[in-house]
Amino acid sequence: GDSVTQMEGPVTLSEEAFLTINCTYTATGYPSLFWYVQYPGEGLQLLLKATKADDKGSNKGFEATYRKETTSFHLEKGSVQVSDSAVYFCALMEGNNRLAFGKGNQVVVIP
Amino acid sequence: GAVVSQHPSRVICKSGTSVKIECRSLDFQATTMFWYRQFPKKSLMLMATSNEGSKATYEQGVEKDKFLINHASLTLSTLTVTSAHPEDSSFYICSAPGVGGEKLFFGSGTQLSVL
Repeated sequence: GDSVTQMEGPVTLSEEAFLTINCTYTATGYPSLFWYVQYPGEGLQLLLKATKADDKGSNKGFEATYRKETTSFHLEKGSVQVSDSAVYFCALMEGNNRLAFGKGNQVVVIP
Repeated sequence: GAVVSQHPSRVICKSGTSVKIECRSLDFQATTMFWYRQFPKKSLMLMATSNEGSKATYEQGVEKDKFLINHASLTLSTLTVTSAHPEDSSFYICSAPGVGGEKLFFGSGTQLSVL
């Protein structure tokens, strides 16, 4: 079935550093792709999405491009802030609002 | 914006007891809600789809009698973990699609620990 793979392990980096979180997917069709973020003590929030190949989703300085040829949707931000510390989940939608999630990556930004 | 409230955020119970988790859509109606479970360092796994006024749809491998779902109104879905055992300890999270179904809103999750 459809699945999402995120890079292993937490990510710790300094403020203003460049952030990349890798995400690849396996799907039989043409899914929509999402990045969700979960701040401490809060529910998941949609960060950005892309619905077709070559689409770029962006929000709050984060970007991700739907790459069909590499089945990837890597998340990037050029200069992170302490407030970006959170858990980030890559996901795809199979249909009927059913989401398949990656494992999530804990991002810790150090001042 | 739309908010999904999940309660309790954390529960510790003894083995053999039942635990109820509530998921409410606060300013919108949700005929469908989704229940996920997350084990440490693993993906959120869809357990079931809760349907208002009808039976829930369970994913393969999820025990219907263990995880009882009730969606009695357009704003409330409940998940009851019956006769909980330590292996049921996990993070449970609900979600509901907003108007038009284009966006999913998530609760803050419930950490269940069964002793």
